Amino acid sequence: DAGVIQSPRHEVTEMGQEVTLRCKPISGHDYLFWYRQTMMRGLELLIYFNNNVPIDDSGMPEDRFSAKMPNASFSTLKIQPSEPRDSAVYFCASSFPGRDTGELFFGEGSRLTVL
Amino acid sequence: AQSVTQLGSHVSVSEGALVLLRCNYSSSVPPYLFWYVQYPNQGLQLLLKYTSAATLVKGINGFEAEFKKSETSFHLTKPSAHMSDAAEYFCAVRPLYNQGGKLIFGQGTELSVKP
Repeated sequence: DAGVIQSPRHEVTEMGQEVTLRCKPISGHDYLFWYRQTMMRGLELLIYFNNNVPIDDSGMPEDRFSAKMPNASFSTLKIQPSEPRDSAVYFCASSFPGRDTGELFFGEGSRLTVL
Repeated sequence: AQSVTQLGSHVSVSEGALVLLRCNYSSSVPPYLFWYVQYPNQGLQLLLKYTSAATLVKGINGFEAEFKKSETSFHLTKPSAHMSDAAEYFCAVRPLYNQGGKLIFGQGTELSVKP
């Protein structure tokens, strides 16, 4: 069974450019989460969805960040325009709390470097 | 509000020594509890979870954790550290009253293993 799939694994871009990170959750999972991890701030929850609907986006740092989930098998996190302080590892995770204890299954992450 | 506290952001042990990583949570009702491990350049993976079935939980790679309600703790232990255990470890909680999927993570503890 495939896990959570994220792309790209690595992205290097210049300040001001648009960045799009992609995530495919585990089939059947109805929750999807976007996290950001940095040395300074640790693991931060940015936004999460339930059945493709955003539930809590209070962790999204500012309007430059947006996330969508057009269907149950795909989500994007977009940063426009990007800034050097956005450099981090972005993780996507999914879960199905209605069936079990609700543990999160994480992807391998997308490492973003903004120059 | 729910919170998770991991005592010690860095723990260093010698190979073969006992590993003890501390986690305390704040909740009036015992929640679901989890330990995740993150190896360098990888995503978080589930190490073990507490679901109220048993207070002593065994996980992968020889790790175990004991739920102590009176102490609101869920410390992670391993009798004998191996070099391959060097990683970052996260404790997380999902309140039982929260039927949503959100987990609350601690700040993480980086484990170093000296030869």
